[in-house]
Amino acid sequence: TQLLEQSPQFLSIQEGENLTVYCNSSSVFSSLQWYRQEPGEGPVLLVTVVTGGEVKKLKRLTFQFGDARKDSSLHITAAQPGDTGLYLCAGDTQTGANNLFFGTGTRLTVIP
Amino acid sequence: NAGVTQTPKFQVLKTGQSMTLQCAQDMNHEYMSWYRQDPGMGLRLIHYSVGAGITDQGEVPNGYNVSRSTTEDFPLRLLSAAPSQTSVYFCASSSHRGSRYTFGSGTRLTVV
Repeated sequence: TQLLEQSPQFLSIQEGENLTVYCNSSSVFSSLQWYRQEPGEGPVLLVTVVTGGEVKKLKRLTFQFGDARKDSSLHITAAQPGDTGLYLCAGDTQTGANNLFFGTGTRLTVIP
Repeated sequence: NAGVTQTPKFQVLKTGQSMTLQCAQDMNHEYMSWYRQDPGMGLRLIHYSVGAGITDQGEVPNGYNVSRSTTEDFPLRLLSAAPSQTSVYFCASSSHRGSRYTFGSGTRLTVV
């Protein structure tokens, strides 16, 4: 059973277009992190959101945490080829001793 | 450079063989985890540790063992390799629950 579902699974767009990636769950998370992973490397943290309704911006990337802390979105404005990669959301349920549960991932390709 | 070091980067095993994937971090992090990454499945937790001498099972622990004798090292042992264990394995560490995870660059394992 996957705790976090991401959509779309694959996304191919032209440079300059906007896009939104979604991360959904029926579980409540105390915090949610977004990572980007490039081929042959491990995921690298982009942002952590903690408060329901929180919005964080990282240059052209905008992250939002749902009011109920069950979902999140990542919006990229004017996508660049350097944005190409696998985007993963990861949530902490704060139940049990651990841990971070990862979503299924969205593979983004930005075509020059 | 400080970080998480995984070895080897690539490995091919025959069914039934055993091996150990090495993971070391030099950031004095208490939390360490092992994940496997399969297409369309995101990252799934195998085992984790909240400190030296303390380990616990994650989502997919069968066929794997871990130990944590020091803060720095967290090896993953495959007892009798099976084709279903063909995957990319990532080790990660964090200073405390909810903080950012730092990932190694992964070990690509193929079991034939």
